[in-house]
Amino acid sequence: AQSVTQLDSHVSVSEGTPVLLRCNYSSSYSPSLFWYVQHPNKGLQLLLKYTSAATLVKGINGFEAEFKKSETSFHLTKPSAHMSDAAEYFCVVSDNNQGGKLIFGQGTELSVKP
Amino acid sequence: DSGVTQTPKHLITATGQRVTLRCSPRSGDLSVYWYQQSLDQGLQFLIQYYNGEERAKGNILERFSAQQFPDLHSELNLSSLELGDSALYFCASSVRGGYSRETQYFGPGTRLLVL
Repeated sequence: AQSVTQLDSHVSVSEGTPVLLRCNYSSSYSPSLFWYVQHPNKGLQLLLKYTSAATLVKGINGFEAEFKKSETSFHLTKPSAHMSDAAEYFCVVSDNNQGGKLIFGQGTELSVKP
Repeated sequence: DSGVTQTPKHLITATGQRVTLRCSPRSGDLSVYWYQQSLDQGLQFLIQYYNGEERAKGNILERFSAQQFPDLHSELNLSSLELGDSALYFCASSVRGGYSRETQYFGPGTRLLVL
C-alpha cells in the first residue's frame, strides 16, 4: 500500500530564512507525488508535482522539491520564507490502483515569524 | 480560484438529519472526487465518479452516498448524521481520473457542523 509520512507536524521559521518541510513516501512502484498548501479557511492549492520526469521539481511561489528514490523522500524547500507562506502543507501520493485517489500525509503547519 | 465550486460553504444541522453537498467540477473535467478533512482522521478520500459512474471507493460510510449527474455536477448525501461527521468536505475534479499523474483541482470546501 502507498503512504506518505510528514516528519514534522509543525515548523517555525523567521521571515527571510530557508524553509524545509520533510516527507517520506512508501510505494511499491514509481509514485506520483504532490505538495498541496492550505491557507486558513481556504481550499487546497497545488504547489508542485513529481511524475517521473526531472527529479527536481519547481513549483509556484518559489517552492521546489527533490525526489530521492534512494531515500524515499520528497522534501519541500524554499530559499527565503515570506509571511504569506504561513499555512498547512500536505505531502500527497497518488494511488495508481484506485482511480488516482490521493493519499494525504498528516500535514505540516508552517509558521513564519517577522 | 480553481474553477471547482461547492455549495453551501457552511452547514449547521442536528444529529439524525440528512444533508446534501453539491459540487460543480471545472469545465471539461469528467472526474469528481470527494474528500473529508477532520481533526482526528486528517484528509481522507471518500469516493470518485467518472462521467457519471462510480470509479473508486474509499473510507465512505454506508450512511453516505454520492452521485454524478449528466451535466457532471456531483452531490454527496450524508444521512443519519452523527457528531463525528462534523468536518470539512472537499470536492476535487480532474480531466479524466484513473490516471495517477493527473492534477486534481480542489474546491473551497463545505464546512459541516453537526450539533
